[in-house]
Amino acid sequence: DAGITQSPRHKVTETGTPVTLRCHQTENHRYMYWYRQDPGHGLRLIHYSYGVKDTDKGEVSDGYSVSRSKTEDFLLTLESATSSQTSVYFCAIRGDYSTDTQYFGPGTRLTVL
Amino acid sequence: QKEVEQNSGPLSVPEGAIASLNCTYSDRGSQSFFWYRQYSGKSPELIMFIYSNGDKEDGRFTAQLNKASQYVSLLIRDSQPSDSATYLCAVTYGGATNKLIFGTGTLLAVQP
Repeated sequence: DAGITQSPRHKVTETGTPVTLRCHQTENHRYMYWYRQDPGHGLRLIHYSYGVKDTDKGEVSDGYSVSRSKTEDFLLTLESATSSQTSVYFCAIRGDYSTDTQYFGPGTRLTVL
Repeated sequence: QKEVEQNSGPLSVPEGAIASLNCTYSDRGSQSFFWYRQYSGKSPELIMFIYSNGDKEDGRFTAQLNKASQYVSLLIRDSQPSDSATYLCAVTYGGATNKLIFGTGTLLAVQP
């Protein structure tokens, strides 16, 4: 899993509550990504980071914010969770620059009731 | 709209056969192409990447790329029941190499 951990691994919350998911990496990679995976939609990019305090939006960024204050941690926040944000969230890092490959963390299953 | 298309399957093959998984993409600027395997309830796992037209072999896996036809495929020789999983195709897009767009995946079932 390329030294990537995600926490929590499972979470159930209620509509309207804030939620923060954490991605932690141990190998000093510059690029980090947050995806969501839903049946019929595949993996979709939410936000990504290309350095400390450097972030950009992906294709499904509405309702999500991110922060990266340290190289090793990339946080995804749902300010006010909605049922449409029920999903499996994966963090990824960009590994070897010569190959542009991305490696994924174990995922967080989020249920918004 | 940048897209990556895959047949959702399921693709069912007998044990020992060749499984052929296909993917088309819409962005002619795409430079890098990836195949990931995902078991149910697990995270995607990189199998292969390919950049140049032609074939690239790694063990029982062969990736094939045809940029003119915007087509990439994955062949799995001597398929095993343990190969049963969803296979995701991913491509870089927009001329950049730091973002991927994924297909929805093809479910492969290898019958013992």
